[in-house]
Order: sequence, then structure tokens, then C-alpha cells
Amino acid sequence: DQQVKQNSPSLSVQEGRISILNCDYTNSMFDYFLWYKKYPAEGPTFLISISSIKDKNEDGRFTVFLNKSAKHLSLHIVPSQPGDSAVYFCAASGGGSQGNLIFGKGTKLSVKP
Amino acid sequence: GAGVSQSPSNKVTEKGKDVELRCDPISGHTALYWYRQSLGQGLEFLIYFQGNSAPDKSGLPSDRFSAERTGGSVSTLTIQRTQQEDSAVYLCASSLNRAETQYFGPGTRLLVL
Repeated sequence: DQQVKQNSPSLSVQEGRISILNCDYTNSMFDYFLWYKKYPAEGPTFLISISSIKDKNEDGRFTVFLNKSAKHLSLHIVPSQPGDSAVYFCAASGGGSQGNLIFGKGTKLSVKP
Repeated sequence: GAGVSQSPSNKVTEKGKDVELRCDPISGHTALYWYRQSLGQGLEFLIYFQGNSAPDKSGLPSDRFSAERTGGSVSTLTIQRTQQEDSAVYLCASSLNRAETQYFGPGTRLLVL
């Protein structure tokens, strides 16, 4: 049973436009959420995180929104750049996971020039 | 500063052989995690070390898998009698302590023939 779901395996966006990546979770005890970015043949790179006490966190072009009632979070990238093309993983911790992260299956973002 | 390093970067082995994968965490990080990513899947938690506490082995898929962390630093993941389904990218991550952001190494790509 997947506790963290990324229902879109891929997303294609034009350069300069907004990219919105979505993530749903089932465990209401999760209290910390992260987004990681992964290029081929590299390990995941931490991008941005949000605690469950917040509903928004912003870092430059990246903003994460958390809707606890809907158990949904999203990552907005604006403006999108070709270098943003990668696989994006949503992850969650808490709820008895003892610090290890529960990952979604990832969304492959392609930003076209 | 130095990030998480893993060796070897690639490993090809024959079914039934044992393999050892190594992880050097970021200096000063007390928490160390092993994950694996099979083809088309998200990252799957394997094992977690926190300081001198007993490791959380709840993610290990079978008793062929084991891990050690010597001196609170370097960790070795051992897979005995490898099977073809063990083929995956094995990723190590470390964090300052539990529930802090995890930083990943580049991974070891294991192929079992």
C-alpha cells in the first residue's frame, strides 16, 4: 500500500512557464515533507521541504504548498528552465517511520526550450 | 565540504555471489540510511542507523541483506547469495540527526546476472 503517491509519471512544460508537480499521502501522522530532484546516474538532491505546521514554503523559483486536510502537497517551479528537467520525488517522514523517508515513485519533468 | 560517497559506483555480479556496498556519510552526521531504487520504482527504505542505537532493520527485504556501521561513520551493506531481483540502485543518505534533511550519495548500481 503506497503511503506517498505521485500520480503523474511525467510532465512536459514550456520554458518560462510554471511547472506544478503533485503529491498525495495517506498517513495523517506524517509531519515533514520534502522534494528531491534526481538527474540520471546521480543520487537525489534535496530541493525544498515543509513542516506540517506550515502551508507554504518558498525558496527562489521553488514553492511547496501543503494542504493537510486534503493530504496533498505540490511543488511549483516558476519560471521553469531547461535545467530543471529531472525526476522529482516527493517524500514524507513522521508517523512512526522513525526518520526514514517514504518516497513517491517520482515525476519526470521535461522543460522544453 | 565533502558529500556522501559510495563505492563501487557500479557492480556486476553473478547470481549466488555475495556483494558489499560501502557508504561514507557526511562527517558529523549521526544518522545514516540505506535505500534502494528498482527500475521504475520510487526509493525503498532498507535500514537506518542513529548514533549508537540499535539499527532499524524494518525495511530489509530478506535475511540475505545485512548492514553494519563501524565507529558511527562508514557503513557497509552486504547482500548474500544475490538474486536477479536484487538488481537496483542502492542509495545511502546521511543527516545531522534523525528527522533532519537527508543528503544522498550517488548510489551503487548493482546488476545481478
